Amino acid sequence: AQSVAQPEDQVNVAEGNPLTVKCTYSVSGNPYLFWYVQYPNRGLQFLLKYITGDNLVKGSYGFEAEFNKSQTSFHLKKPSALVSDSALYFCAVRDGGSQGNLIFGKGTKLSVKP
Amino acid sequence: DTAVSQTPKYLVTQMGNDKSIKCEQNLGHDTMYWYKQDSKKFLKIMFSYNNKELIINETVPNRFSPKSPDKAHLNLHINSLELGDSAVYFCASSQGNGPRGEQYFGPGTRLTVT
Repeated sequence: AQSVAQPEDQVNVAEGNPLTVKCTYSVSGNPYLFWYVQYPNRGLQFLLKYITGDNLVKGSYGFEAEFNKSQTSFHLKKPSALVSDSALYFCAVRDGGSQGNLIFGKGTKLSVKP
Repeated sequence: DTAVSQTPKYLVTQMGNDKSIKCEQNLGHDTMYWYKQDSKKFLKIMFSYNNKELIINETVPNRFSPKSPDKAHLNLHINSLELGDSAVYFCASSQGNGPRGEQYFGPGTRLTVT
């Protein structure tokens, strides 16, 4: 069975500092990994995905994520946080070896203070 | 232009009533989904349709019945509403139902059952 874990309920960062939102996954086949962001009272927006190839994936709004197969992780990063990055971030995984569903983590609330 | 739209945005109703939520996408996608987000922001898939055919039907009470009149629409009808049905319901779409494609989400419908 596939699963995804986001170990932090909340991450607090000062504006201008780098940020990392953690995600680990478990699948039986090849992992297809996604990050989505949800602003208050809005739907989820796709940020980036890892399918294959380079372990460092670049996405929208200056975000990037690093795929680490040995650690089964897909952490979201940004070199310099903005107050407007404050939102709820979801990691999601789909098992490439099956027709399984997209499984979401429980979400991590990112708070960027001025 | 709105890519994935849902109506209504808010729905307040009493226990025992029947209600519907409508979803439309103008992205030309052939796969559509319904997700439920509970009060703790946990997101779980309910149904998925590909080319108007039901392909995912998670463990959802049979009071919930999806209907896809065409590829661009996926509606959700809920009979005999219960307090536990209170949640935010998101519609989403993607091109294909394979594991590689990202999903595009609507703004959500906040259902409150009193």
